[in-house]
Amino acid sequence: GAVVSQHPSRVICKSGTSVKIECRSLDFQATTMFWYRQFPKQSLMLMATSNEGSKATYEQGVEKDKFLINHASLTLSTLTVTSAHPEDSSFYICSAAAWGDNFNIQYFGAGTRLSVL
Amino acid sequence: DAKTTQPNSMESNEEEPVHLPCNHSTISGTDYIHWYRQLPSQGPEYVIHGLTSNVNNRMASLAIAEDRKSSTLILHRATLRDAAVYYCILSSLNDYKLSFGAGTTVTVRA
Repeated sequence: GAVVSQHPSRVICKSGTSVKIECRSLDFQATTMFWYRQFPKQSLMLMATSNEGSKATYEQGVEKDKFLINHASLTLSTLTVTSAHPEDSSFYICSAAAWGDNFNIQYFGAGTRLSVL
Repeated sequence: DAKTTQPNSMESNEEEPVHLPCNHSTISGTDYIHWYRQLPSQGPEYVIHGLTSNVNNRMASLAIAEDRKSSTLILHRATLRDAAVYYCILSSLNDYKLSFGAGTTVTVRA
């Protein structure tokens, strides 16, 4: 399967700082990437859909000014958690979509565990 | 939003087959059935997908009921590395986003 690299794998930061997470599709071009968040013992929740060269589409309840998404190239999308607070501590996961006829398969990064002190 | 229903958990012995059921009675004609799995502390991993016919790949087999209202993911010989949460998800061009439910937690006994 395709490879998606996510960096960093873990970050610990102080409250009020901003954190940038990178998501790269290594062996295919991804016009669409997705960002998810997963709290302990819960399932993945889609935060936003990122399309190359255009603004991201955010899910209801996700603050676009809080979670900045940039998808400047076909292989890279970034998520910046601005002014992070302890309640933002979570497991953030990106995926890149590979499109087939009438469907897409998502290839996921390994995730970034964010801990805000 | 077409939804799926899966058992919360399932146990298996190593080297034995595992059959994971999924009900999707409200599936539409354009919905593909996707299976992903998530190992502990990792991102999900694509397993298999299908539309109407049964599908096989190196990881698993997908058996789809004739009326498409249910499907079964089959792991032919479970290993300890197959212990994960398995998600059955419907997706189509009309709704290409993946909606993750609680999935089925598979435990494999040595």
